[in-house]
Amino acid sequence: TQLLEQSPQFLSIQEGENLTVYCNSSSVFSSLQWYRQEPGEGPVLLVTVVTGGEVKKLKRLTFQFGDARKDSSLHITAAQPGDTGLYLCACRPGTTDSWGKLQFGAGTQVVVTP
Amino acid sequence: NAGVMQNPRHLVRRRGQEARLRCSPMKGHSHVYWYRQLPEEGLKFMVYLQKENIIDESGMPKERFSAEFPKEGPSILRIQQVVRGDSAAYFCASSPPTQTGQQFFGPGTRLTVL
Repeated sequence: TQLLEQSPQFLSIQEGENLTVYCNSSSVFSSLQWYRQEPGEGPVLLVTVVTGGEVKKLKRLTFQFGDARKDSSLHITAAQPGDTGLYLCACRPGTTDSWGKLQFGAGTQVVVTP
Repeated sequence: NAGVMQNPRHLVRRRGQEARLRCSPMKGHSHVYWYRQLPEEGLKFMVYLQKENIIDESGMPKERFSAEFPKEGPSILRIQQVVRGDSAAYFCASSPPTQTGQQFFGPGTRLTVL
C-alpha cells in the first residue's frame, strides 16, 4: 500500500497571504490528484497531475508534480476565505492508471481568515 | 445533470441496529465506490462495485458490512449491528465506464451511533 503523507496537518493564515501544502510518498505515483473538501460535503477534484515535473495552474492555485513523481505541492497565492477547506491528495495504488480505488492522504486543513 | 446523490444525509442509530446508506450515481455512471472518513482523517476506500458485481472489497471490514449495486436502483451500503466505532462520514463516488475514470463524490452520509 502506498502511504501518502501530507503536511502540514493544519494551516491558518490571513487573507492575502500565500500558502503551500505538500504530499509525499516513498513510492512513485503513476498519477496524483488534489481534492478540496468543504465542511459537510464530499471532496471535489481540483487537478490531476501525471508527468514528472508537471506544473498546472488553476487561477490562484499552482500544482507541481515532482520530477521523480514521488511528491507534489499545492501553492495558493493571495489566499481568500473561500479557499478554506480540507485539501486532500490521492493516488491509485499500484502501477496501473485505470479504474479502481483511490488512496487518500490525511489532508491539510486550511483556514483563511478575513 | 444531477450529481451523485446520497441519502440520508444524517443517520442516527443505537448500538445493535442496522444502518442502510444509499447512493445514486450520476447518470451514465456504472461504477460506484464507497469510502469512509473518520474525524480528522482522510477517506479510506471500502468497496468498488459495478452493476450487480463487487469488483474490489479489500477495504470492507470482514463482518457486519456489506454492499450491493443492483441492476435497478441505488447502491446500498449496509452495516449490521452497528457499534460506536462505526460513527463516521460515508461517501459514495461514481465514475463513467471510460479510461479516465474520474470519480465524482456525493455529499456523504454522516452516521452517528449512540
